[in-house]
Amino acid sequence: SYELTQPPSVSVSPGQTARITCSGDALPKKYAYWYQQKSGQAPVLVIYEDSKRPSGIPERFSGSSSGTMATLTISGAQVEDEADYYCYSTDSSGNHRGVFGGGTKLTVL
Amino acid sequence: EVQLVETGGGLIQPGGSLRLSCAASGFTVSSNYMSWVRQAPGKGLEWVSVIYSGGSTYYADSVKGRFTISRDNSKNTLYLQMNSLRAEDTAVYYCARDREACPLAYWGQGTLVTVSS
Repeated sequence: SYELTQPPSVSVSPGQTARITCSGDALPKKYAYWYQQKSGQAPVLVIYEDSKRPSGIPERFSGSSSGTMATLTISGAQVEDEADYYCYSTDSSGNHRGVFGGGTKLTVL
Repeated sequence: EVQLVETGGGLIQPGGSLRLSCAASGFTVSSNYMSWVRQAPGKGLEWVSVIYSGGSTYYADSVKGRFTISRDNSKNTLYLQMNSLRAEDTAVYYCARDREACPLAYWGQGTLVTVSS
């Protein structure tokens, strides 16, 4: 089955840039999406179609994709950005199944 | 305002059945792609199933043949019928709605299903 791979954890100091990667064989053909989940809350979409930001999401959140890797970048990370981040996509086999990466715990301290 | 409210979770014995509901307001369920996503305690998100506006349904391998996604247009409600439940199905179950170009754009608060004897 198709898999998306993320690092388990990333740690930065406040004001630094955090980068979270997501690798998957189908990413050259399929968009990546990114979700933020804070403790005890439902996930929130922060990036769609690789690099687009929904309304209400701060400009410090950005996304990119190249080859088999998508990247979520948080420029000038703030303490309130501490959360779990998940990439999401579908495989290219046409089976319409979604798949999440394993998640990355972002620590900002 | 889009709202999704899941109900129906609880404690169930292995091998049992449970039906989750997701009551929607602020939009029409039948006109949107609707999904179920689950999260085992302390674990990551797992996509479970989707129903398209045209009625096509798709499932994760881990639940195929045991779970059924459906909707009731008159009640504007999404369902997940779960049969032959296993301990590994223990999770918070979220329903979610797509928005144009944005899968899983709106989420409910989730309902906890615990499968244990």
